[in-house]
Amino acid sequence: AQSVTQLDSHVSVSEGTPVLLRCNYSSSYSPSLFWYVQHPNKGLQLLLKYTSAATLVKGINGFEAEFKKSETSFHLTKPSAHMSDAAEYFCVVRVGTYKYIFGTGTRLKVLA
Amino acid sequence: GAVVSQHPSRVICKSGTSVKIECRSLDFQATTMFWYRQFPKQSLMLMATSNEGSKATYEQGVEKDKFLINHASLTLSTLTVTSAHPEDSSFYICSANSGGGANVLTFGAGSRLTVL
Repeated sequence: AQSVTQLDSHVSVSEGTPVLLRCNYSSSYSPSLFWYVQHPNKGLQLLLKYTSAATLVKGINGFEAEFKKSETSFHLTKPSAHMSDAAEYFCVVRVGTYKYIFGTGTRLKVLA
Repeated sequence: GAVVSQHPSRVICKSGTSVKIECRSLDFQATTMFWYRQFPKQSLMLMATSNEGSKATYEQGVEKDKFLINHASLTLSTLTVTSAHPEDSSFYICSANSGGGANVLTFGAGSRLTVL
């Protein structure tokens, strides 16, 4: 069965420092993976997606993620955190044409 | 880009009443829409898949008589929470496949339901 595991429920970084949000996946074949961001009381916004093309995927707002098959990981990174990045981040794997499984989320806190 | 509109964004109702939440795809047609429920500080749980012109497909453990889904057109799906109780209070989010390759989902902004 396919699944995603977000290793940290909370991450705190200082403004201007790098962000690393970790995600590991379980899949018997090459998966389609996504990162979504959710700001308080808002819907989810797609940050980036991996669909078996380039392993380093660039997304919006300076975020990027690298698909590493050997490590079954799809970690989300950003070189320099901004206060507006504070939100909940979800790693997602697509398991069917329209079926997605969400990770439990990582709440990112950015300290001034 | 593709936009999914959800209404209302917040609703408060009395226990025992029914509440309808609308999900519209504004600039694309969606034969399939999805309804999720999110409990505080938890991930999204897929409740059901809404299919235009046919019955919705419910996930295991979701009461189809409690959560009525209607997908009457290619741009509108509705979720009706019938005889709502306080335990139905939650954040409900809809999504649709906007066709942006890899079956990317576009999400609505969510509807926060509070049942008193």
